[in-house]
Order: sequence, then structure tokens, then C-alpha cells
Amino acid sequence: KQEVTQIPAALSVPEGENLVLNCSFTDSAIYNLQWFRQDPGKGLTSLLLIQSSQREQTSGRLNASLDKSSGRSTLYIAASQPGDSATYLCAVVDNYGQNFVFGPGTRLSVLP
Amino acid sequence: DAGVTQSPTHLIKTRGQQVTLRCSPKSGHDTVSWYQQALGQGPQFIFQYYEEEERQRGNFPDRFSGHQFPNYSSELNVNALLLGDSALYLCASSLGDSVYTGELFFGEGSRLTVL
Repeated sequence: KQEVTQIPAALSVPEGENLVLNCSFTDSAIYNLQWFRQDPGKGLTSLLLIQSSQREQTSGRLNASLDKSSGRSTLYIAASQPGDSATYLCAVVDNYGQNFVFGPGTRLSVLP
Repeated sequence: DAGVTQSPTHLIKTRGQQVTLRCSPKSGHDTVSWYQQALGQGPQFIFQYYEEEERQRGNFPDRFSGHQFPNYSSELNVNALLLGDSALYLCASSLGDSVYTGELFFGEGSRLTVL
């Protein structure tokens, strides 16, 4: 059974810092990995999708990498801003099913 | 281009009642997945609908059922509500051109409170 963990559970940084969020999964036989952002009480906003044949994806100040062999993905946020404050979740689709398995998320606070 | 829309946004029910939640997928998408998110946790997969049929189901009891209509919209029904069913219910849509789920796009969710 695929399990996804995210470290740290919470992170507080001053504005302008570069930061890294980590995601680990137990079964390396994944099809897709997707990073999401969730504001309190709201739905999930898709940030980046990495397909199994890819090693990274970039969108603006965000860069996500994927290392299937080690079961890890990282989300790099450059020059953080207070508006980046949210919970960030990663999710993987395994090769055996259609469902995304989610991690518990990392709650990020960027202080002005 | 309309994104995923869900209704209602909030609702309150009492134990034993039944609830129906509705979802319209993003334009061009034909696959709908439903997730339950308890406070402080990641979403848990309930089931996925494609071509009006349930394609896969997570570890949820039969009290949770669904339906997909020819226009790809979907409903989630929960019978005999329990206090533990209180959660944010999220609908996500994707393209069903592969047996594997593609990029997911979520709605804003329906917040269900069971008293």
C-alpha cells in the first residue's frame, strides 16, 4: 500500500527566503506526482505535475523535482512572499490504480 | 473556461440523515473523483467515475455512493450520516484518456457538519 509523508509538518520563514518542502513515498512504481496548494477551508490548487518519465518541472518561482528510485520529491520555492502562506500537499498516482494518494501536507507561514 | 464547481458550499445535517453533494467538472474533462478531507489531514480517495461507471473505489463503506451523468457531472450521496462523516468533501476532475489518472483539478469543496 502506497504511503506518502511530508516533512516538515509546519515551517515558518521570513519573507525573501528560499525554501524546500519534502515529500516521500514508499512505493517507487508511481505514474504521476502532483504538488498542490491549499488555503484554509478552501479546495486544492494544482501547482506542478511531474510525470514518471520526468525529473523536474518549473513554474515561476516554483521548481519540483522527482527521484523515483529514492521515493522522494522536493518543492523549491524561491524568494518566498507572505502570499505563499498556505498548506502544500503532494500526491502520487501509483501504477496499480487511478487514485491519488496524498501526504498530510506542510503548513507554510511566510512572515513579512 | 469554467473550473470545477461544487454545491452546496456548506451544509449541516443530523445523525442518520442523508446528504447529496454535486459536482460539475472542468470544461473538457470526463472523469470525476471524490475525496474526503478531515481537518488537518490530506484528502482520502472515495471513488472515481468515468463513462458513468465507478472505475475505482477507496476504503469507504457502502453508505457512500455516487453517480455520474451523461454530461459528466457527478453526485456523491452519503446515507445514515455519522458524526465522523463531518469533513470537507472535494471533487476533482481529470481527463480519462488513460487508465491512469492525469492531472487533477479540484473544486472549492462542500463542508459537511453532522450534529
